[in-house]
Amino acid sequence: DGGITQSPKYLFRKEGQNVTLSCEQNLNHDAMYWYRQDPGQGLRLIYYSQIVNDFQKGDIAEGYSVSREKKESFPLTVTSAQKNPTAFYLCASSMGSGETQYFGPGTRLLVL
Amino acid sequence: QKEVEQDPGPLSVPEGAIVSLNCTYSNSAFQYFMWYRQYSRKGPELLMYTYSSGNKEDGRFTAQVDKSSKYISLFIRDSQPSDSATYLCAMSNNAGNMLTFGGGTRLMVKP
Repeated sequence: DGGITQSPKYLFRKEGQNVTLSCEQNLNHDAMYWYRQDPGQGLRLIYYSQIVNDFQKGDIAEGYSVSREKKESFPLTVTSAQKNPTAFYLCASSMGSGETQYFGPGTRLLVL
Repeated sequence: QKEVEQDPGPLSVPEGAIVSLNCTYSNSAFQYFMWYRQYSRKGPELLMYTYSSGNKEDGRFTAQVDKSSKYISLFIRDSQPSDSATYLCAMSNNAGNMLTFGGGTRLMVKP
């Protein structure tokens, strides 16, 4: 059963803490993406990766970091430098950049 | 001005109505056009994918692209309460660049 999984579904962060959101895909897609969605807003691109061991900043990369050590996995770390992290985080993948993207179920991050 | 504009709504219609959702864009290089449906607190799911101009039909859904006007539409026939969701348009050029998303239109279909 192919798809994209994200975990956890909900995540709570204490002030000053780094947290990592997981994204795994078994679609054999080369490209993976992280988006942030605020209430009533569209999707804003945080980071993307077109191939293993390579990634680029999106429009709002400050306060976030990523890694792409395996084709299937693209974890996102929300660092303490991100002052307003409360949002819905979506991971997506596609065969190649610019092609149709398929989304995971999302992780809702809340600050305690 | 945003590269892709989409009325945020909400758009409220009675069950059975024909719904028209629209996006306008400014980049004439866009060639690939998509519509996603997003239920509350869920990830977006791909509804329709079209290339260049023309119409594409899939069941109750029709996607229309007018490149001369830089305008795309999604029509939903016989709308159902289960169609209540936010609809996002997305587009890209053919140079391997990122998708550009509209802000989404929230649709409510009332029984």
